[in-house]
Amino acid sequence: AQSVTQLDSHVSVSEGTPVLLRCNYSSSYSPSLFWYVQHPNKGLQLLLKYTSAATLVKGINGFEAEFKKSETSFHLTKPSAHMSDAAEYFCVRGGSARQLTFGSGTQLTVLP
Amino acid sequence: EAGVAQSPRYKIIEKRQSVAFWCNPISGHATLYWYQQILGQGPKLLIQFQNNGVVDDSQLPKDRFSAERLKGVDSTLKIQPAKLEDSAVYLCASSSVTSGVYEQYFGPGTRLTVT
Repeated sequence: AQSVTQLDSHVSVSEGTPVLLRCNYSSSYSPSLFWYVQHPNKGLQLLLKYTSAATLVKGINGFEAEFKKSETSFHLTKPSAHMSDAAEYFCVRGGSARQLTFGSGTQLTVLP
Repeated sequence: EAGVAQSPRYKIIEKRQSVAFWCNPISGHATLYWYQQILGQGPKLLIQFQNNGVVDDSQLPKDRFSAERLKGVDSTLKIQPAKLEDSAVYLCASSSVTSGVYEQYFGPGTRLTVT
């Protein structure tokens, strides 16, 4: 089955430092990939999406992700972390019938 | 526009009891999804509806779980009888044919604890 693997279950950064959340996908022709964020007691929110257009995708709140076919990766980055970025982040793959397959998630902690 | 509504937000039941969750999707969204999110895992699709028809229920444990979407709007998900391993957050999401491909809008979820 086509899937995504999030390489870190927890990431801790200091406020103002860069964020890197890693995601690899199983190889496939033109995958659709997404990052969703889940804040405590709130619904999942779409951060950004890649659907075979530009390989560098910009999302909300200063996040971006780069699709690298040679490395089968879709890592999420942000130049400078803010306290409000603390949340759980999911790398997600689109499949048939408009279905989404979620990774296991990365909990981001931002330290003051 | 109003988002996806779910109720209740929290529910605690004993094993072997039954429980039902309700979801009201965004107005006009034809596709509705139910997900199960166990602590420490990503959401897993249980069932997908298109209007009031089932598109995919291959991962729904049909011996104890049931779902319906009468009139193609609201949906209910029922568990009967509940087991300890059903403790999870149950998420509802909806999408429309005019929204981006794969773009789903999620409700806040119902946190179920089975004791």
